[in-house]
Amino acid sequence: GNSVTQMEGPVTLSEEAFLTINCTYTATGYPSLFWYVQYPGEGLQLLLKATKADDKGSNKGFEATYRKETTSFHLEKGSVQVSDSAVYFCALRAGANSKLTFGKGITLSVRP
Amino acid sequence: DAGVIQSPRHEVTEMGQEVTLRCKPISGHDYLFWYRQTMMRGLELLIYFNNNVPIDDSGMPEDRFSAKMPNASFSTLKIQPSEPRDSAVYFCASSFGKNTGELFFGEGSRLTVL
Repeated sequence: GNSVTQMEGPVTLSEEAFLTINCTYTATGYPSLFWYVQYPGEGLQLLLKATKADDKGSNKGFEATYRKETTSFHLEKGSVQVSDSAVYFCALRAGANSKLTFGKGITLSVRP
Repeated sequence: DAGVIQSPRHEVTEMGQEVTLRCKPISGHDYLFWYRQTMMRGLELLIYFNNNVPIDDSGMPEDRFSAKMPNASFSTLKIQPSEPRDSAVYFCASSFGKNTGELFFGEGSRLTVL
């Protein structure tokens, strides 16, 4: 079946630090890959996506590249801000159905 | 623009009581999803609908859970009877089209069963 594995958290960084959050997946066929973000007290919202191998998704300074050879979709940001503190979820959609499979999420805290 | 609207935002109830969670999806969206979020299990898909028809309810934990979508603008998730292990945040999400992968989530309903 389809699955998404995220690195264990939580992650605490100082403002302006470099961020990498690892995500690997298992899927049949060629999935689409997503990063969602959940700010405190809110629902999830789409951060970025990539639909085929070697695609790079980007938004708000975050980037992730769809690596088929390593089945990975790591999230990166060059300089994090306090406002980036949130829970980040990696997800995939594969096959003919519309449902997303989410990873467990990782909490990022950014200190001033 | 109104997003996905869920109610209630918080519910505290006692074991054995019936709980009904409500969701209004974004107008024009044809898919609706119910998720449950807990610390232990993360985000789990319970059920989803397409054009008001349940497509996949394999994530519904047991017969105590039921979901309906009587029309395109309203859905309910009911738990009867509720148990303490049902305590979680329940999210409703909607989307348009089959292949976008972009779900729009409500703010969630936090359920505590004592």
